Amino acid sequence: EVQLVESGGALVRPGGSLRLSCAASGFTFGSYWMHWVRQAPGTGLVWVSYINSPGTTTTYADSVKGRFTISRDNAQNTLYLQMNSLRAEDTAVYYCAREGMTLDYWGQGTLVTVSS
Amino acid sequence: DIVMTQSPDSLAVSLGERATINCRSSQSVLNSSSKKSSVAWYHQRPGQPPKLLIYWASTRESGVPDRFSGSGSGTDFTLTISSLQAEDVAVYYCQQYYSTPYTFGQGTKLEIK
Repeated sequence: EVQLVESGGALVRPGGSLRLSCAASGFTFGSYWMHWVRQAPGTGLVWVSYINSPGTTTTYADSVKGRFTISRDNAQNTLYLQMNSLRAEDTAVYYCAREGMTLDYWGQGTLVTVSS
Repeated sequence: DIVMTQSPDSLAVSLGERATINCRSSQSVLNSSSKKSSVAWYHQRPGQPPKLLIYWASTRESGVPDRFSGSGSGTDFTLTISSLQAEDVAVYYCQQYYSTPYTFGQGTKLEIK
């Protein structure tokens, strides 16, 4: 069974940093592109970033470019999102998702709250 | 960026009746090599992550009931639920995966009338 489990969400002050993790199981993690998608409270889904299978290519939404870094450890079956210079507007549930045909499996999400 | 626009924003349908949600992309999302449109549909129940229903605009994901169907190509797409069930109450999103950023529609809230 495919499972994606996010962790690392927390309350952090503006300007702070946080690293999210997504532990994958039930599939060959190193064969799939992986994504982060976020959802601010009461709003819709916003794509954040993706990384290709070997981890050599990454792309970011303009709103996080230069502040967030996606990475992966295929030996540990784990996806990461390093978030720096956090802003109030980064407050959201962050989901990791696997790209099969498209985003076919999603984790339950981890909440990041940026507030003083 | 490709903008995905859904209509309506909310919809109330009686149990057993048909529900139709539309989605328009700001440019064509037709994949020239596959000749398929790179559009997916998801629904999201309260407190849950999104669940994939349809990809390539009309291909049903494994395990998704056949009352869900997708249609359209180019820039105009439709999700149809042929006979609404209570468990279909959710917010529905279209998404294009033709190019990054993978943009989503704003969502359509589906309720029981």
